[in-house]
Amino acid sequence: LAKTTQPISMDSYEGQEVNITCSHNNIATNDYITWYQQFPSQGPRFIIQGYKTKVTNEVASLFIPADRKSSTLSLPRVSLSDTAVYYCLVAANQAGTALIFGKGTTLSVSS
Amino acid sequence: KAGVTQTPRYLIKTRGQQVTLSCSPISGHRSVSWYQQTPGQGLQFLFEYFSETQRNKGNFPGRFSGRQFSNSRSEMNVSTLELGDSALYLCASSIGSQGAYEQYFGPGTRLTVT
Repeated sequence: LAKTTQPISMDSYEGQEVNITCSHNNIATNDYITWYQQFPSQGPRFIIQGYKTKVTNEVASLFIPADRKSSTLSLPRVSLSDTAVYYCLVAANQAGTALIFGKGTTLSVSS
Repeated sequence: KAGVTQTPRYLIKTRGQQVTLSCSPISGHRSVSWYQQTPGQGLQFLFEYFSETQRNKGNFPGRFSGRQFSNSRSEMNVSTLELGDSALYLCASSIGSQGAYEQYFGPGTRLTVT
């Protein structure tokens, strides 16, 4: 399984764009990149998943360069409610693969 | 549709006892995975069940076991509880096996061992 490295914490203000970068130098050909969000005392919630280039949904964008050794989760115009822990996962999109959650990035949004 | 439900939500047990936690997946989901979350170790994978078969297992002692029923509901059992087993236990369900599909997590069961 590819190991991921992401910042322990980040601070931002309401209305700003936040970019969280995750490094995964030994990502394999059949690995996908997935981001989850977790609020205190709740289970993680799927945000976005991608394989290469750019993926966008209603809450975030995921940028993946050509070498796929890193990825960036972009949250546009964050609000106080975006304060949470964000996990970057790299796993093969195939049956039997276990998801390994790292320490995640604690994002704190202030007014 | 209804989300993943876990019962009970809170539990207090004494060291040496055993405990059973229950997870009801989203209707139609065949995979159920269990995780343990503690402040020190973070989110750690326990095991995954798919169509009543254990598909994958994390690095936990044999005191941690689970099973899945024909309706996809799953139970997790911890025997001979230790203080270090105090944690938030989360289950997640997905349509297929966890490596391939989005995981939907339940609210968790907060277990306290005294």
